[in-house]
Amino acid sequence: EVQLVESGGGLVQPGGSLRLSCAASGFTFSSYSMNWVRQAPGKGLEWVSYISSSGRTIYYADSVKGRFTISRDSAKNSLYLQMNSLRAEDTAVYYCARDGLGGWYIDYWGQGTLVTVSS
Amino acid sequence: QSALTQPASVSGSPGQSITISCTGTSSDVGGYNYVSWYQQYPGKAPKLMIYDVSNRPSGVSNRFSGSKSGNTASLTISGLQAEDEADYYCSSYTSSSTRIFGGGTKLTVL
Repeated sequence: EVQLVESGGGLVQPGGSLRLSCAASGFTFSSYSMNWVRQAPGKGLEWVSYISSSGRTIYYADSVKGRFTISRDSAKNSLYLQMNSLRAEDTAVYYCARDGLGGWYIDYWGQGTLVTVSS
Repeated sequence: QSALTQPASVSGSPGQSITISCTGTSSDVGGYNYVSWYQQYPGKAPKLMIYDVSNRPSGVSNRFSGSKSGNTASLTISGLQAEDEADYYCSSYTSSSTRIFGGGTKLTVL
């Protein structure tokens, strides 16, 4: 069974940093590209970042470019999101999400971790 | 980049069919057959319902179908059931190799 379990969320002050982790299991992690998608309270889904299966190709949404860094460790079956210079508008549930094999769609989602940016 | 355009809400009675539209541009929806649809219940993670415009993952009811014409994709749910009441989001691959989601549509089963 595919499982994606996020951790690392919490309350952080504006301008602060946070590192999210996603532990993957139930599939060959190194074969799949991964994403982070967020959802502000009461709002819609917003794609944040993508990393290819090898880790060599990375993309970011304009809203987080230069502040967030996505990475992966296949030895640990883990995906990460380093978030710096956080703003109030970054407050959201952050989902770790797996792409379909060879596809441009998300086939599995974690349950999400809440990040709150507030003083 | 602005979100894909979806109606904020749609409704239908049990047994009826409804269609949710998703309008983008030639740089996303119109340019690629990489449109997907997700169902989300309150407080839950989204679930994939349709991928690559019209393909259904294993386990998804055949009451759900997808299509595309030009820059607009559509999700049709036939034989509406109470359990279909949820939020629905479309998504597309873009010419910048990023993804973009629609604003979401709340489906109410009357």
